[in-house]
Amino acid sequence: DTGVSQNPRHKITKRGQNVTFRCDPISEHNRLYWYRQTLGQGPEFLTYFQNEAQLEKSRLLSDRFSAERPKGSFSTLEIQRTEQGDSAMYLCASSLETAVDYGYTFGSGTRLTVV
Amino acid sequence: AQKVTQAQTEISVVEKEDVTLDCVYETRDTTYYLFWYKQPPSGELVFLIRRNSFDEQNEISGRYSWNFQKSTSSFNFTITASQVVDSAVYFCALTPSTGNQFYFGTGTSLTVIP
Repeated sequence: DTGVSQNPRHKITKRGQNVTFRCDPISEHNRLYWYRQTLGQGPEFLTYFQNEAQLEKSRLLSDRFSAERPKGSFSTLEIQRTEQGDSAMYLCASSLETAVDYGYTFGSGTRLTVV
Repeated sequence: AQKVTQAQTEISVVEKEDVTLDCVYETRDTTYYLFWYKQPPSGELVFLIRRNSFDEQNEISGRYSWNFQKSTSSFNFTITASQVVDSAVYFCALTPSTGNQFYFGTGTSLTVIP
């Protein structure tokens, strides 16, 4: 297993367009998290899944954002009608439910630029 | 409420110097976990060290060491004999026992000058 994989690495889109990002976690990890990181800031929590169930969502996750993990494996994060304020690095992480105290394994992120 | 504060925005040191990164946290939980992550220019957050709230023993792991003090809610991280490859942004993070989410500080950008 090569770790958490995120695609694409970079995405440039025009304001108002929809974008979708994909995250493939470590295969045996049943928890998957999405974070957003803007320039000069630390990552901020967006949402997390345990298997296919989305258990928690941040207030940052407006109704333009939707995340899915249909089979409890990979996850997608979609942003509809993108705005310039959505420009950020979107980080995915995974962990075992029983080992959250050991931290997450993060992917390299998808950098979104909205022009 | 959970909060992590990293007051140092940027630090520059000359190679082989020791450097300490400060972290202060706030939480009402009695059980929690503290972490340090490194973010090189590639963007991936790399796990460095962790500590649970019940263990205040300070340790050394290679060139890394940490000082956890519950009385002052601090979790400082020291790199001994810094190297150019240590140049990165370092994040302190806190998670409650449920591990539902991490609360990150704003990061400290470390530059090691050769």
